Amino acid sequence: DAGITQSPRYKITETGRQVTLMCHQTWSHSYMFWYRQDLGHGLRLIYYSAAADITDKGEVPDGYVVSRSKTENFPLTLESATRSQTSVYFCASSAQVYEQYFGPGTRLTVT
Amino acid sequence: DQQVKQNSPSLSVQEGRISILNCDYTNSMFDYFLWYKKYPAEGPTFLISISSIKDKNEDGRFTVFLNKSAKHLSLHIVPSQPGDSAVYFCAADGNNYQLIWGAGTKLIIKP
Repeated sequence: DAGITQSPRYKITETGRQVTLMCHQTWSHSYMFWYRQDLGHGLRLIYYSAAADITDKGEVPDGYVVSRSKTENFPLTLESATRSQTSVYFCASSAQVYEQYFGPGTRLTVT
Repeated sequence: DQQVKQNSPSLSVQEGRISILNCDYTNSMFDYFLWYKKYPAEGPTFLISISSIKDKNEDGRFTVFLNKSAKHLSLHIVPSQPGDSAVYFCAADGNNYQLIWGAGTKLIIKP
């Protein structure tokens, strides 16, 4: 299927566990982004990537790790999950940075 | 410090009438603005954008107005339809590929 997909859609994990959220896009977009959305906030950028093997921090990167070995994949790892990382996570891709295409989101609960 | 503010968490409009969603920003260096629309359990979708060299951009029922002196932009939807019920986010171009997002306004179109 063409587009951008995220998996899993829902995840419950325990504090201290490592969790990886997957993101896959089929457009060969250069740019990819990870956001989190919390009540009362807009989307906050965690990490972004301008191309394969090029990643950089966004506004709220602490506690997260990303990699981008292939253009189409951009996984986000929570190395040791904390309750404050309970959120909805969105992955996005773009050919031109600002007009971004979003995945359906992953709702993560850390207990 | 929120650089992009959407001061109305929600807005209710009668079907067929005009919906006006507002957004204020503080950084005069922003020169590109976007509106996204988000349905529940989906990612945001790009709606319309405007460059700071313009004061208006129109796309079908959607028009965005930019008032640079007031650091204010607005999205007009005419006529409003039930399918327009969603959360609307405004965003501005920040540094290093980052979009700065408002907290969103939930638009409810009443039949």
